[in-house]
Amino acid sequence: GNSVTQMEGPVTLSEEAFLTINCTYTATGYPSLFWYVQYPGEGLQLLLKATKADDKGSNKGFEATYRKETTSFHLEKGSVQVSDSAVYFCALNMNTGFQKLVFGTGTRLLVSP
Amino acid sequence: EPEVTQTPSHQVTQMGQEVILRCVPISNHLYFYWYRQILGQKVEFLVSFYNNEISEKSEIFDDQFSVERPDGSNFTLKIRSTKLEDSAMYFCASSETHTGANVLTFGAGSRLTVL
Repeated sequence: GNSVTQMEGPVTLSEEAFLTINCTYTATGYPSLFWYVQYPGEGLQLLLKATKADDKGSNKGFEATYRKETTSFHLEKGSVQVSDSAVYFCALNMNTGFQKLVFGTGTRLLVSP
Repeated sequence: EPEVTQTPSHQVTQMGQEVILRCVPISNHLYFYWYRQILGQKVEFLVSFYNNEISEKSEIFDDQFSVERPDGSNFTLKIRSTKLEDSAMYFCASSETHTGANVLTFGAGSRLTVL
């Protein structure tokens, strides 16, 4: 079946460090890919998405590129801030039928000043 | 910005009791969902709902679970007789359309603890 694998956390970084959170997927077909973020006490919020191979999603300095050849959608940010501390979820959705997101386990990011 | 509201934020219940988790989706959204996350595990799809009926459900969503949109604004998840393994964070979500690239808006979640 379809699945998403994320790197385990927590990821601990100092402010202004470079961030990579790895995400790979397994899918029968061509899914849309998403990164959601959950700040403490809040719901899952869409961070960025990509709907086809080689698309790059970007938002708030975060980027991820849909790589079909490596079935990956790694999240990157050049310079993290303390306010980026949150849990990041990679997810896919097949482009057929009703929405049924398949999530990874989430990766907690802790950024210290 | 419109948001999805969930209540309660945390509920503690005894095994075997009925629980109702409530959600107010975004007003112009037509598609509604429940997901759950057991501590340390993946966020899992439970059920989707459209036009007052279930459109899809996972194998987790057995006869103990039911969903309802009783009054045109609330969307509820009922667990008829809770088990220890139902302890989880339950997320409600809604969307305008159902296509694959469409974005779901999630609530902050309701944490259910079954003792």
